[in-house]
Amino acid sequence: AQKVTQAQTEISVVEKEDVTLDCVYETRDTTYYLFWYKQPPSGELVFLIRRNSFDEQNEISGRYSWNFQKSTSSFNFTITASQVVDSAVYFCALSSYNYGQNFVFGPGTRLSVLP
Amino acid sequence: SQTIHQWPATLVQPVGSPLSLECTVEGTSNPNLYWYRQAAGRGLQLLFYSVGIGQISSEVPQNLSASRPQDRQFILSSKKLLLSDSGFYLCAWTPLYAAGTEAFFGQGTRLTVV
Repeated sequence: AQKVTQAQTEISVVEKEDVTLDCVYETRDTTYYLFWYKQPPSGELVFLIRRNSFDEQNEISGRYSWNFQKSTSSFNFTITASQVVDSAVYFCALSSYNYGQNFVFGPGTRLSVLP
Repeated sequence: SQTIHQWPATLVQPVGSPLSLECTVEGTSNPNLYWYRQAAGRGLQLLFYSVGIGQISSEVPQNLSASRPQDRQFILSSKKLLLSDSGFYLCAWTPLYAAGTEAFFGQGTRLTVV
């Protein structure tokens, strides 16, 4: 069975602090895909990044960075110099080809960035 | 470009009333379609997914049903709503036969059953 764990239910930081959101996954498949989504108060899920299991290269996009480590089955997300607009619920998700196109989402981490 | 439309945005319905939520995708053909539910303060639960017209897979037993009468139309229904059906419902799509692509979500319907 596939599973995604986001142990941090809620995080509060002060603006300009760095914050890391943890994601740990479980799968028996050798080919799989990991995702991060942002859900602002409006509710719509916004896609942030996709990673496949063969690409462990970390990625940086502006203030966002992602650390994928297969050895620990983790795909963590760091926001540098957080801003109030980063306040949202963040979801980590997993899909694999053997499971068709279905996605397994983690429970989400609610991030509050205080001014 | 592809877009996904979901309506209504909010809905308040009495217990025992029927439900119909509609989702349509534009700009693509043969998409995989999904219905997710998000209970207050919780994660996303997959309810139904469809790989083609009339092909519906249910992930959890519940008071809801889904139909796909047209290629790019996905409908979530209930004959009699329960209080526990309250939540935020999200429709999503992915390209067919494209493993590993991200899912694109609609703006959601916030359903309150009273």
